[in-house]
Amino acid sequence: NAGVTQTPKFRVLKTGQSMTLLCAQDMNHEYMYWYRQDPGMGLRLIHYSVGEGTTAKGEVPDGYNVSRLKKQNFLLGLESAAPSQTSVYFCASRPGTAMNTEAFFGQGTRLTVV
Amino acid sequence: GENVEQHPSTLSVQEGDSAVIKCTYSDSASNYFPWYKQELGKGPQLIIDIRSNVGEKKDQRIAVTLNKTAKHFSLHITETQPEDSAVYFCATQSNDYKLSFGAGTTVTVRA
Repeated sequence: NAGVTQTPKFRVLKTGQSMTLLCAQDMNHEYMYWYRQDPGMGLRLIHYSVGEGTTAKGEVPDGYNVSRLKKQNFLLGLESAAPSQTSVYFCASRPGTAMNTEAFFGQGTRLTVV
Repeated sequence: GENVEQHPSTLSVQEGDSAVIKCTYSDSASNYFPWYKQELGKGPQLIIDIRSNVGEKKDQRIAVTLNKTAKHFSLHITETQPEDSAVYFCATQSNDYKLSFGAGTTVTVRA
């Protein structure tokens, strides 16, 4: 069982470059999320989606865009990377049948912006 | 938005002793309180959760207690083992789709 798969696992970007992080889940989950994890700050929600074709802003959305064209995929884009976006990014998904359900996380993407 | 505070940020315990992590939250509408464990280089994984209509839940060596009046909940790990060493996150959810996380507690179990 693949669960939630994030691509790539590591990436180094130069300031101003763009990139897209891919999250794929094979559990037919409705809800998908992108979080960033920084030391001492826990997991902060960037954007989320409650279904195919929908996206919404989370706690720290500035500098990021997302798309959910297919139910199984949730893409996170950085149009012009900044050093402040150096972080570990986690994607998560949850079933849509009830809100109080377990979130399944990917392995993370470690992004360094120099 | 929801504000979740988690204490302590680091915790070192002797193998076999108990570990307790506490979280407080601000949104009185919060109704779901999960705990996640993150091992080095991996994503967080759910270890136990509790809903607002329950005061306590136990699963083997792990237990969670909830005090809705005081807006705090705690994770208790008994008879700690080296494999319990990890980062633990508490989280809350109210009547929306989002989970709000605490800052995490790094637990080290000394052999």
